[in-house]
Amino acid sequence: DQQVKQNSPSLSVQEGRISILNCDYTNSMFDYFLWYKKYPAEGPTFLISISSIKDKNEDGRFTVFLNKSAKHLSLHIVPSQPGDSAVYFCAAILGGTSYGKLTFGQGTILTVHP
Amino acid sequence: KAGVTQTPRYLIKTRGQQVTLSCSPISGHRSVSWYQQTPGQGLQFLFEYFSETQRNKGNFPGRFSGRQFSNSRSEMNVSTLELGDSALYLCASSLGGTPADNEQYFGPGTRLTVT
Repeated sequence: DQQVKQNSPSLSVQEGRISILNCDYTNSMFDYFLWYKKYPAEGPTFLISISSIKDKNEDGRFTVFLNKSAKHLSLHIVPSQPGDSAVYFCAAILGGTSYGKLTFGQGTILTVHP
Repeated sequence: KAGVTQTPRYLIKTRGQQVTLSCSPISGHRSVSWYQQTPGQGLQFLFEYFSETQRNKGNFPGRFSGRQFSNSRSEMNVSTLELGDSALYLCASSLGGTPADNEQYFGPGTRLTVT
C-alpha cells in the first residue's frame, strides 16, 4: 500500500521558471512532511520540511505548501536552475514513536533546461 | 560538523554469504535509520535505532538485522544474501526527539551487489 505518492515520474522546466513538484498521501495521521533531493549514487539531501499544523514553509527559493483536507503537498522552486536537476522525493513521518521512520514517495525526476 | 559516513561504499558478495555495513552518524545525533533503495521499490525503511534500542522496524525478513552502539554508530547485517538484496543501502541520522528533530540527514550509501 503506497501511502505517499508522487504521480509525476518526471518534470521538465526552463531555467528561471517555476518548478512545482506534487505529492499526495493517504494516511491522515502523518505528522510531518519533508522534501529531499537526490543525485545518482548519492544519499538524499534534505531540502525543506513542514509540520502538519502549518500550511506553508519557505526557505530561499524553496516553498512547501500543505493542504491537509486534500492530503496534498507541493514543492515550489523559484527560480529554477540547471543545478536543481535531480530526483525529488517527498517523505512523511507518523507521530509518536514512529518519528524515526520516513515513508517516501517514488520520486520525480526534475530536469531544468538552460 | 562532519556528515553521515558509511563504509564500505561498494561491496560485491556472493549469494548465501553475509554482509555487515557500518554507519557513523552526525555528532550529537542519537537516532540512526536504515533504508534500502532499489529501482523497483524505491526507498524502503528497514529499521531505526535510538539510544541503542530498535525503535521502529520495517517489513523486511529477519535476515536483515542491525544494532547501535553507545557512541550512536550503527551496523546493519544481512545474512544468507539473495540476488534481490542488491541495492543501495542508506543510513540516516537525526536528533531523534520531536518531529522537527527527526529531519534525517543521509550518508552517501553502500552499493551492495550480490552475484
